Amino acid sequence: EPEVTQTPSHQVTQMGQEVILRCVPISNHLYFYWYRQILGQKVEFLVSFYNNEISEKSEIFDDQFSVERPDGSNFTLKIRSTKLEDSAMYFCASTLRTGPDQPQHFGDGTRLSIL
Amino acid sequence: SQQGEEDPQALSIQEGENATMNCSYKTSINNLQWYRQNSGRGLVHLILIRSNEREKHSGRLRVTLDTSKKSSSLLITASRAADTASYFCATDWYLEGGGNKLTFGTGTQLKVEL
Repeated sequence: EPEVTQTPSHQVTQMGQEVILRCVPISNHLYFYWYRQILGQKVEFLVSFYNNEISEKSEIFDDQFSVERPDGSNFTLKIRSTKLEDSAMYFCASTLRTGPDQPQHFGDGTRLSIL
Repeated sequence: SQQGEEDPQALSIQEGENATMNCSYKTSINNLQWYRQNSGRGLVHLILIRSNEREKHSGRLRVTLDTSKKSSSLLITASRAADTASYFCATDWYLEGGGNKLTFGTGTQLKVEL
């Protein structure tokens, strides 16, 4: 069964550094998402991306965050200047289409640790 | 206010028993979904129930939805040790620009003991 893959599985970065989290969504999917989960807390929506544009972003997704689909397969999340509070699991998800019966397919996540 | 609160927060049962988890939410929904998360892994979609449905089954899973009470329940029958995981409900809303936004609950940690 096709999977969403994320790399790296664990990223350790110094505060203030830039970090790029990478995702390869399921190949024929058209809608892409990032979520994050701070340890012990809920999974929170960050951003959705369709047709090479952000379709919605949350309050968390401020100017330090950006997303890109640089080619036909990768979908990246960049944090320009990391803060301690960015430490979390980041999950990428994708769906084939939008609609009432569209479960999202998640990757296994990248654990981001900011020192 | 938080969208999606599950109870109980933690549940420990013996293998073979049934496990029931509840979810409450606050806003209108298009559908409600349940996901499982094994420790250190991503979220796996289990079952989706539309806002106009009241009950749905999939294998050992049974989900109910009461939109008047803004609540849902997930029943896992004849539980197995492999069912040990965290279970999350998520409400789904269409986005004008395209796609669906999931809003997750706090989760129930289920432990199934041999």
